[in-house]
Amino acid sequence: AQTVTQSQPEMSVQEAETVTLSCTYDTSESDYYLFWYKQPPSRQMILVIRQEAYKQQNATENRFSVNFQKAAKSFSLKISDSQLGDAAMYFCAYAGGTSYGKLTFGQGTILTVHP
Amino acid sequence: EAGVAQSPRYKIIEKRQSVAFWCNPISGHATLYWYQQILGQGPKLLIQFQNNGVVDDSQLPKDRFSAERLKGVDSTLKIQPAKLEDSAVYLCASSLVMRSGNTIYFGEGSWLTVV
Repeated sequence: AQTVTQSQPEMSVQEAETVTLSCTYDTSESDYYLFWYKQPPSRQMILVIRQEAYKQQNATENRFSVNFQKAAKSFSLKISDSQLGDAAMYFCAYAGGTSYGKLTFGQGTILTVHP
Repeated sequence: EAGVAQSPRYKIIEKRQSVAFWCNPISGHATLYWYQQILGQGPKLLIQFQNNGVVDDSQLPKDRFSAERLKGVDSTLKIQPAKLEDSAVYLCASSLVMRSGNTIYFGEGSWLTVV
């Protein structure tokens, strides 16, 4: 079974600084996707960024980028120029190529942004 | 475009009572998911529908939980009888197609407290 581990329960960053959230996963599949979701207090999960395993190039979305290390099964999220609105719970998630879209989530990391 | 709608947003019930949650996915989305998110944990898939058929219900506690998606649109998740450990946020999500990597859109969730 696939597992996703986020080892940082909480992280904090100063506004305008950069922060990196860590995620590791375990799988025997070769075809899969990795995601970072943001969950504000409203509890609605919002997709931040997506990475396809067969793509070597790291995904980027404006201030958000990932460091995808396939051999190490590591998938970290870097948030640059942090803003107060980035404060939320962040979840790393995995979807196997044969899982029909089903997501397996990590435990989450609470990100606090200090003004 | 309207998002995934869920109701009720909040519900408090006593143990052994029953409760039902309703979800209306984004128009045209064939795949619908119900996730359970216990406080401090990542969401866990309860059941996945493709149109009105069940794709995966392996983690649904079938002795007390049931779900249906009549006519392949709206879905209802029922808990009867509720236990204290069922206190959680129940997230409904939908996607256009049942394929890993496809964007999954989440609702704001239904918060359940069992006392």
